Amino acid sequence: GQQVMQIPQYQHVQEGEDFTTYCNSSTTLSNIQWYKQRPGGHPVFLIQLVKSGEVKKQKRLTFQFGEAKKNSSLHITATQTTDVGTYFCQKDYKLSFGAGTTVTVRA
Amino acid sequence: DTGVSQDPRHKITKRGQNVTFRCDPISEHNRLYWYRQTLGQGPEFLTYFQNEAQLEKSRLLSDRFSAERPKGSFSTLEIQRTEQGDSAMYLCASSSPPGRVNYGYTFGSGTRLTVV
Repeated sequence: GQQVMQIPQYQHVQEGEDFTTYCNSSTTLSNIQWYKQRPGGHPVFLIQLVKSGEVKKQKRLTFQFGEAKKNSSLHITATQTTDVGTYFCQKDYKLSFGAGTTVTVRA
Repeated sequence: DTGVSQDPRHKITKRGQNVTFRCDPISEHNRLYWYRQTLGQGPEFLTYFQNEAQLEKSRLLSDRFSAERPKGSFSTLEIQRTEQGDSAMYLCASSSPPGRVNYGYTFGSGTRLTVV
């Protein structure tokens, strides 16, 4: 099945800075799920977005679903070393995952 | 602990041997999924169950792989005649049916298989 495109594949961030990772689709999505996988760990569900233009926040993480429901973003403010890991998005209850965005932090 | 449990955590086996992994999902979840993950890659879908019915199986999955969920609760994944290319982390996840509020998978900690 068609997978979403996650951009960038790798993100190197200075501690304390902000960054954004994107999940893009050529087709309109009904929903999107975000997961985080720490190095050596397993994926952990973060959030689901369903509504057009929806914005949800979890502390320093802000998730957004585009108005056209074709893309989603995850914005992290004041990056910390605990943010290290790979962030995956999953679209439309699909069974497949992409390669994700792998985040490393420079202290 | 009400999470997803996988057993064993690690398995080292010789090429050609059979191995079996077990997954105990969250009891309220009727869907159970098996994934395989290698270093630097996202989880690769293998198969999934809704209750005891196996609804989908990846075309990439060879006949050496088989999964069961006989009573709609725990599941087993068996790999026959293991090959070195089977070395990976095998992840199990469970979920409620799609459409529930804040739907998402709960993954177990995985079984790391090493074929020598």
